[in-house]
Amino acid sequence: AAGVIQSPRHLIKEKRETATLKCYPIPRHDTVYWYQQGPGQDPQFLISFYEKMQSDKGSIPDRFSAQQFSDYHSELNMSSLELGDSALYFCASSLGYSASTDTQYFGPGTRLTVL
Amino acid sequence: LAKTTQPISMDSYEGQEVNITCSHNNIATNDYITWYQQFPSQGPRFIIQGYKTKVTNEVASLFIPADRKSSTLSLPRVSLSDTAVYYCLVGPTGKLIFGQGTTLQVKP
Repeated sequence: AAGVIQSPRHLIKEKRETATLKCYPIPRHDTVYWYQQGPGQDPQFLISFYEKMQSDKGSIPDRFSAQQFSDYHSELNMSSLELGDSALYFCASSLGYSASTDTQYFGPGTRLTVL
Repeated sequence: LAKTTQPISMDSYEGQEVNITCSHNNIATNDYITWYQQFPSQGPRFIIQGYKTKVTNEVASLFIPADRKSSTLSLPRVSLSDTAVYYCLVGPTGKLIFGQGTTLQVKP
């Protein structure tokens, strides 16, 4: 079965640079979520989109922005990168936004290293 | 969102049944209980979800008492490959709020 695709899988950037992470949800899934997991930490919710509209917002820095496109893929844009942004970034997708049906399927993650 | 409390770590042996209990005393009426499994450097994987009573699928069972203030994830006959972090999440909406999970170590 098709899974969530994230690209790139690994990314190395310098401080103050920008980065763009991409997420391709499971076909027919209309909801995308972004999570950040620092070393030794639990995943932290950043932001989500349902039908191309922002549906919820978590602890996402102002330096980050995201959007969902007409084909439902999503991009997380990160500017003025800081050392503390080094983390695994997961994208998840679900069908709908209902608590009883919105099982989230996670992608393999993008490992961002900021030097 | 309801706060959850689960053991930080658990040890087991291959072939044993493992039960991980999660406390969520202030669970709301419209909250569901969901468990995820995560291996190092991989995305969390959905295990099971329930609202009340018992739910069973091909990999686990979830027991929820009538007051819904706790839940127990049951993994039958664990193997070494079940060594992972297990998260209990409680909430009504899409975003998942991960608390401290339970690191399960399965020994041969």
